[in-house]
Amino acid sequence: GAVVSQHPSRVICKSGTSVKIECRSLDFQATTMFWYRQFPKQSLMLMATSNEGSKATYEQGVEKDKFLINHASLTLSTLTVTSAHPEDSSFYICSVPGLAKNIQYFGAGTRLSVL
Amino acid sequence: EDQVTQSPEALRLQEGESSSLNCSYTVSGLRGLFWYRQDPGKGPEFLFTLYSAGEEKEKERLKATLTKKESFLHITAPKPEDSATYLCAVQGGSEKLVFGKGTKLTVNP
Repeated sequence: GAVVSQHPSRVICKSGTSVKIECRSLDFQATTMFWYRQFPKQSLMLMATSNEGSKATYEQGVEKDKFLINHASLTLSTLTVTSAHPEDSSFYICSVPGLAKNIQYFGAGTRLSVL
Repeated sequence: EDQVTQSPEALRLQEGESSSLNCSYTVSGLRGLFWYRQDPGKGPEFLFTLYSAGEEKEKERLKATLTKKESFLHITAPKPEDSATYLCAVQGGSEKLVFGKGTKLTVNP
């Protein structure tokens, strides 16, 4: 069964609105979760590391005020895309480190389309 | 900077036609090399982890191998259900995964 649950799977929004994406670890507690973005025919790119109880760590070039991350519990991290613009349209995927050494398990992804 | 290059970008095979996918990498202090399968519109599904040169892992029709510079994913007698994009990723000094762009495999019946 799924280790990671991600919702919604698809969202269409108007430019200027905010969108929240949830990532839940189903099988174990996760002090760390990861958020990736994937553009068509491109690599998955790490956006940020979500840390339970503390601030997220953002990769270079990722605007922390635009992509708000909250890791309020050991099983839930949320990514909010604020004031979304068409260039934010992409496939957003979260991952959770498993109990086995170094392995990350991914959610099903969220397709964001900003009109 | 850790880097991963996968080749070919796309590969078309006939059912039963074996082949290999390549993943070349540079990493500072390899903690692991990972192979994932990704179906259209879905998140990556974990296949294998390799930790040191010479290591091999097998699962059904798939076999992953690792050298100090590259990894191969060998597909033996593929079936149409093996059609997917196969992603390679490396993990260096941190928990961060650095992915290649993937190889899109199509297996025709």
